[in-house]
Order: sequence, then C-alpha cells, then structure tokens
Amino acid sequence: EIVLTQSPDFQSVTPKEKVTITCRASQSIGSSLHWYQQKPDQSPKLLIKYASQSFSGVPSRFSGSGSGTDFTLTINSLEAEDAATYYCHQSSSLPQTFGQGTKVEIK
Amino acid sequence: EVQLVESGGGLVQPGRSLRLSCTASGFTFGDYAMSWFRQAPGKGLEWVGFIRSKAYGGTTEYAASVKGRFTISRDDSKSIAYLQMNSLKTEDTAVYYCTPGVVTVDPWGQGTLVTVSS
Repeated sequence: EIVLTQSPDFQSVTPKEKVTITCRASQSIGSSLHWYQQKPDQSPKLLIKYASQSFSGVPSRFSGSGSGTDFTLTINSLEAEDAATYYCHQSSSLPQTFGQGTKVEIK
Repeated sequence: EVQLVESGGGLVQPGRSLRLSCTASGFTFGDYAMSWFRQAPGKGLEWVGFIRSKAYGGTTEYAASVKGRFTISRDDSKSIAYLQMNSLKTEDTAVYYCTPGVVTVDPWGQGTLVTVSS
C-alpha cells in the first residue's frame, strides 16, 4: 500500500499569504496524484488532477506541482473562503490512498 | 451535468447488513466504472472499492478493510450502483460517497451516513 504523508497537519495563515502543502508518497506514483478541498460540513471538491492540471472552475490561485514521490499544492494569495482541509490522493495503484489532510485556518 | 445521489444510509446494529444505492445521471452510466469512498466522522477519506464497466468485465476491487464483507454491483438499465454491506462493524460508521471513474473523484455527491451502533 502506498502511504501519502502530508505536511503540515495544520496551518494558520493570514489573508493574501502564500500557502504551501506538501504530499510525499512512500513510492513513486508518477503524476497520479490529485488534490481536493473540503470545507466544513461539505463534500470534498477536486482542485488539481495529475499533479499539476487545474480542474475546471478552480480559481487560478491554486496550483500543483511535482512527480514521483514529492508533490506540492500552492495557494497564492490566500482568501478567507479557502479555509478548509486539503487532501492528496493517489490513483497509481490499488488500494487507492489519501493523505491524512492539512487543515488551513485563516488568522 | 453529472449528478450523483447516494441513499440507503441509516442506523444499523453491528453484524447486520445495509445496502446503499448511488443513482447517477448526466453521463452514459454503462460506459463508466463506479467507485465508492467513505469518510468516518471527523476523519480523513478512504477508498472502499469500485466496479468496472461491462466492457471491462464488470469486475470489482475492494479495500482490505471491507473485502469479503462488502459487495459492489451495478444496474446499468437504471443507472444505479449498489454497495451491499454485510457483517457491519462500528468502524464502518462513515459518510459513503460514490463517483464515476477510477482515477479522480469528481464529482462528489452529498453522501449518505451509515452509523453502526448498538
């Protein structure tokens, strides 16, 4: 099973600040890494697919990068509405797995 | 627009069974694999399993935590995917989601809550 480890677990950030969340895979997964945003009491939403492809309708301040075992989700100029938990997800091999989540709080 | 409606959740005692349904619209259901995911209260996301389309044999794959207890099936004529859950355990308590495909999870429905408790 591929283990995805996100860091940090929690981040408190002021508006307009840049946020960087990393996801490290226990073995190479190529680019089969996706990012989701989950706001309180809502279902998750897809932000980034295949490591760096922005999903339709997602604000341009969200971007992804990486390949192999190290991946990054970047939120440029954080907005108040970005308060949420962010998850990475690998579909390279079964069982599919998720990172433990990174909670982003707005100061 | 793709729409997914999960239903069938509720309160059930440990050891009992429950069947969830995922009613889909907005895409050609029979052309897609259908996946199930879950999220325990206050916890992270977990892959449950999927069923391939008939074109790929309609075969299934499961997470180790549910293998042998859960069964995924599909009725392409009704555009419904099912998750039959047997021998339920308290640790199966979660919101269950379905989605088309086996790569990215999109869209996510509203989910259906399953509570396993005596």
